[in-house]
Amino acid sequence: DTGVSQDPRHKITKRGQNVTFRCDPISEHNRLYWYRQTLGQGPEFLTYFQNEAQLEKSRLLSDRFSAERPKGSFSTLEIQRTEQGDSAMYLCASSLSGATNEKLFFGSGTQLSVL
Amino acid sequence: GESVGLHLPTLSVQEGDNSIINCAYSNSASDYFIWYKQESGKGPQFIIDIRSNMDKRQGQRVTVLLNKTVKHLSLQIAATQPGDSAVYFCAENNGRDTGFQKLVFGTGTRLLVSP
Repeated sequence: DTGVSQDPRHKITKRGQNVTFRCDPISEHNRLYWYRQTLGQGPEFLTYFQNEAQLEKSRLLSDRFSAERPKGSFSTLEIQRTEQGDSAMYLCASSLSGATNEKLFFGSGTQLSVL
Repeated sequence: GESVGLHLPTLSVQEGDNSIINCAYSNSASDYFIWYKQESGKGPQFIIDIRSNMDKRQGQRVTVLLNKTVKHLSLQIAATQPGDSAVYFCAENNGRDTGFQKLVFGTGTRLLVSP
């Protein structure tokens, strides 16, 4: 499978715990995005990387959230001191800059449930 | 894992019918629009896109129409099949000034296809 892969697919945690998600983009893609999707809504942009540089963060991304892409390949999204409001699907997407009609390809997401 | 909600606008059609899904977008400066299909427990899957310098684009069994005057998009699916059952989202690119794909997703529409 050469698509975007995310791990884990599901995560159940207790309020106050830290969680970390991983995203492996399509190998030749230099852009990587994180989105969050809550029940009944479309995905909302969280943050964007070009190679290893995090170039934009949404106001939705509180101080408890941190994302990294250390070598410009895979990325991690960490949520510290989780709250019940963090329960959502966390989606990763990747794209290739400069491609005609640059398309985002999404992974299947990590479903987070905070109890 | 259910990633989309149960209270979305729903379009119910019979197999073989044509389906039309509508979407209103918000930013008159958006120059790129995409339709995504999302099946339960999966991430959004690219269907078709259109640039703002076009008003119609056709793919395989799908057509996207863009009316910039009223900021409206539609997705037409010909000869709808049970496998088309999913939630459909339109998205506009608000990243024009930043140079990357900062997608803003609309409210999804659930398409139910009966055999």
